Amino acid sequence: GEDVEQSLFLSVREGDSSVINCTYTDSSSTYLYWYKQEPGAGLQLLTYIFSNMDMKQDQRLTVLLNKKDKHLSLRIADTQTGDSAIYFCAEKDNDYKLSFGAGTTVTVRA
Amino acid sequence: GAGVSQTPSNKVTEKGKYVELRCDPISGHTALYWYRQSLGQGPEFLIYFQGTGAADDSGLPNDRFFAVRPEGSVSTLKIQRTERGDSAVYLCASSLTGQGAVLTGELFFGEGSRLTVL
Repeated sequence: GEDVEQSLFLSVREGDSSVINCTYTDSSSTYLYWYKQEPGAGLQLLTYIFSNMDMKQDQRLTVLLNKKDKHLSLRIADTQTGDSAIYFCAEKDNDYKLSFGAGTTVTVRA
Repeated sequence: GAGVSQTPSNKVTEKGKYVELRCDPISGHTALYWYRQSLGQGPEFLIYFQGTGAADDSGLPNDRFFAVRPEGSVSTLKIQRTERGDSAVYLCASSLTGQGAVLTGELFFGEGSRLTVL
């Protein structure tokens, strides 16, 4: 949605780190999320971060949150070909509604 | 099935026709959501059900769109007098409870129904 913005494309070499950036506008967002969408598949929740945290690590994934600048990033370490997908940043508008960005298409090249 | 099931996976129709899209959520999930994803964009919220009732239908674009969930499980999204601008992938998601969604936002999405209006 228009409240969440992210870069549209990212190309990365296999084995390198990927960093996907996102900005959001709602300062009252309690949770922020990263979803992954592979071709022909539904969205899959990758990870989320609570707004009172500034970092969360989960295996190869690291989420950084700068609440002051309303900036969220997802770092994927040791990017693999299976990481090629569209990644969506999302914020929770209220108790149940998510606002998604337009998605970043990540292409992993050998 | 184990996941959210949506039918049909693809629907091609002519402008002005009526369309129904079906969603079968994960068993036991009380919360159900419809989102619409246009080409090159992220999903946009349409409607949220908690049980049988539509708790929030503020995302429905106009009165040609309607959704029901009569028994608190399967939901049908209905589009009357379809227009070319309705072409999109319609995504359904469910979560265990509304509170579960509050805590983690973990919505389980189906693969979507791709609607093409000619």
